[in-house]
Amino acid sequence: AQSVAQPEDQVNVAEGNPLTVKCTYSVSGNPYLFWYVQYPNRGLQFLLKYITGDNLVKGSYGFEAEFNKSQTSFHLKKPSALVSDSALYFCAVRDPPGSTLGRLYFGRGTQLTVWP
Amino acid sequence: NAGVTQTPKFQVLKTGQSMTLQCAQDMNHNSMYWYRQDPGMGLRLIYYSASEGTTDKGEVPNGYNVSRLNKREFSLRLESAAPSQTSVYFCASRSKGLTGELFFGEGSRLTVL
Repeated sequence: AQSVAQPEDQVNVAEGNPLTVKCTYSVSGNPYLFWYVQYPNRGLQFLLKYITGDNLVKGSYGFEAEFNKSQTSFHLKKPSALVSDSALYFCAVRDPPGSTLGRLYFGRGTQLTVWP
Repeated sequence: NAGVTQTPKFQVLKTGQSMTLQCAQDMNHNSMYWYRQDPGMGLRLIYYSASEGTTDKGEVPNGYNVSRLNKREFSLRLESAAPSQTSVYFCASRSKGLTGELFFGEGSRLTVL
């Protein structure tokens, strides 16, 4: 079964510092991995995805994620955090390759707080 | 471009009452999904519809039913609401292609007393 884990419920970082939000995965076959962000009282917004190819994936709002197959990780990163990045971040994994269902399985979420 | 629209945004029910959450997308997507979000639990899939005319159970389907009315609309029904169904419900649709991402509505906050 496909699953992801986000080991940190909360991440706190000062504005201007680099940030990392961690995600590890467990899948059958090659993983299709996603990051979403949720601002208060809003729906989830797509940030980026890894399907294949380059291990460093760039996404919206200056975020990037590094796929590491040996460590089964897909950590979200940003070189310089902004207060406006404060939100709830979700890692997700898709149904295995070959499936047309396209279901996503989400982690529990990590609350990122960037303080001024 | 409206994307995914959910109604209502807020609803309070008493135990045993029924209600339907409506969802519509205008992106011509084939696949649609209903998730619930609970604190510390992330999002869990309730039901999904891979295409018009088909529906199937997700991780937590008990107490819910769905209808894929047409390609645009996918509704979620609670026949006899229970306090355990207090949650925020999200509808989503998937962009085309095997690796397409999900587009989410703004959510419907349901409280069952």
